[in-house]
Amino acid sequence: AQKVTQTQTSISVVEKTTVTMDCVYETRDSSYFLFWYKQTASGEIVFLIRQDSYKKENATVGHYSLNFQKPKSSIGLIITATQIEDSAVYFCAMRELITGNTGKLIFGLGTTLQVQP
Amino acid sequence: GGIITQTPKFLIGQEGQKLTLKCQQNFNHDTMYWYRQDSGKGLRLIYYSITENDLQKGDLSEGYDASREKKSSFSLTVTSAQKNEMAVFLCASSIEGTGNQDTQYFGPGTRLLVL
Repeated sequence: AQKVTQTQTSISVVEKTTVTMDCVYETRDSSYFLFWYKQTASGEIVFLIRQDSYKKENATVGHYSLNFQKPKSSIGLIITATQIEDSAVYFCAMRELITGNTGKLIFGLGTTLQVQP
Repeated sequence: GGIITQTPKFLIGQEGQKLTLKCQQNFNHDTMYWYRQDSGKGLRLIYYSITENDLQKGDLSEGYDASREKKSSFSLTVTSAQKNEMAVFLCASSIEGTGNQDTQYFGPGTRLLVL
């Protein structure tokens, strides 16, 4: 079965620094898609960034970037110049094909990030 | 851009009660999903629907029914609420296919508490 593991339960950083959140995954698929989402204090889940497994270049969106290490089945999220409002729970997810071309997301348990002034 | 709305935002029910949660999206997405989030357990798929009138069971479908009468809406029914149950139900949608189209976007959630 496909699995996503986030080993860091919580991280605390000082604002304006860089933080890396770890995620490892297990899959039998040769082609797959990886996602990071953020859940805010209000409960809203926001899509941040994705990495398609066939792309060698690490994805970057704003101050989010990914460290994709395919041989290690690892997809770390890097947030540079952190801000107080980055405080949230961050979920790593992998798309698993279920029917035809439809996929479901397999989520990790999340990493709580607290950004301190 | 688009938006997903979920109603109600909070739902308090009694044990054994049938409860219905609603989700609407204006992305014009084909596929819609219902996930359940429990504290410490991440999100798990309950039901999904590839198109209007299609229903597919996820990993956690027992105790739930779903309905997709229109492309833009997807309802979930808790058939018999369990006492002391507390969870967040999240609706999501995506255009299934290759490339960026299969990113799932989430609604704000419905928080359920059963007394």
